[in-house]
Amino acid sequence: DIQMTQSPSSLSASVGDRVTITCQASQDISNYLNWYQQKPGKAPKLLIYDASNLETGVPSRFSGSGSGTDFTFTISSLQPEDIATYYCQQYDNLPPTFGQGTKLEIK
Amino acid sequence: EVQLVESGGGLVQPGGSLRLSCAASGFTFSSYWMHWVRQAPGKGLVWVSRINSDGSSTSYADSVKGRFTISRDNAKNTLYLQMNSLRAEDTAVYYCARAIAKGKFDYWGQGTLVTVSS
Repeated sequence: DIQMTQSPSSLSASVGDRVTITCQASQDISNYLNWYQQKPGKAPKLLIYDASNLETGVPSRFSGSGSGTDFTFTISSLQPEDIATYYCQQYDNLPPTFGQGTKLEIK
Repeated sequence: EVQLVESGGGLVQPGGSLRLSCAASGFTFSSYWMHWVRQAPGKGLVWVSRINSDGSSTSYADSVKGRFTISRDNAKNTLYLQMNSLRAEDTAVYYCARAIAKGKFDYWGQGTLVTVSS
């Protein structure tokens, strides 16, 4: 199975800050990488697909980049409603695998 | 509006069985591959199983292979997960998810909690 390593596992930032999360795949996954947001008690929500494409309806402060094994997810200006856990997920190979998550908190 | 609504979760003893359902609406269910993903309490997301659009092809995580069976009824717009020989480590919220292009999960249900305990 492809291992997805996310960092950091938790992050505290202030409203308006630029926030960056990284995700590293254990092998080349091209751009088959998605990012999800999960708020407490809710289902995950797709934010970014194919490494850098913004899902319809998702605010433009969210962005993604990378290819191969190294990927980055960025919130350009953190808002209070962005408090959640964020997961990367590869779908180049079965089984699809997720990173361990990054819990984002407001400072 | 796309909706996925899971049901069938609950408390079951180790070694027992449960069948989860996922009722789909708002899209052409028979055109999409569907997946189950689970999340143990306080833990991350783990893929469980997938089924292709007509039900002829399935795949499973090693941890559930031989114990869980995914199926679908396209006439009823419903996805199923039959879970047998349940173990404590199967305790989780189970989500159904619609897939675009192999493994991009664009819609998720609200989840149903399965608790395996004596």
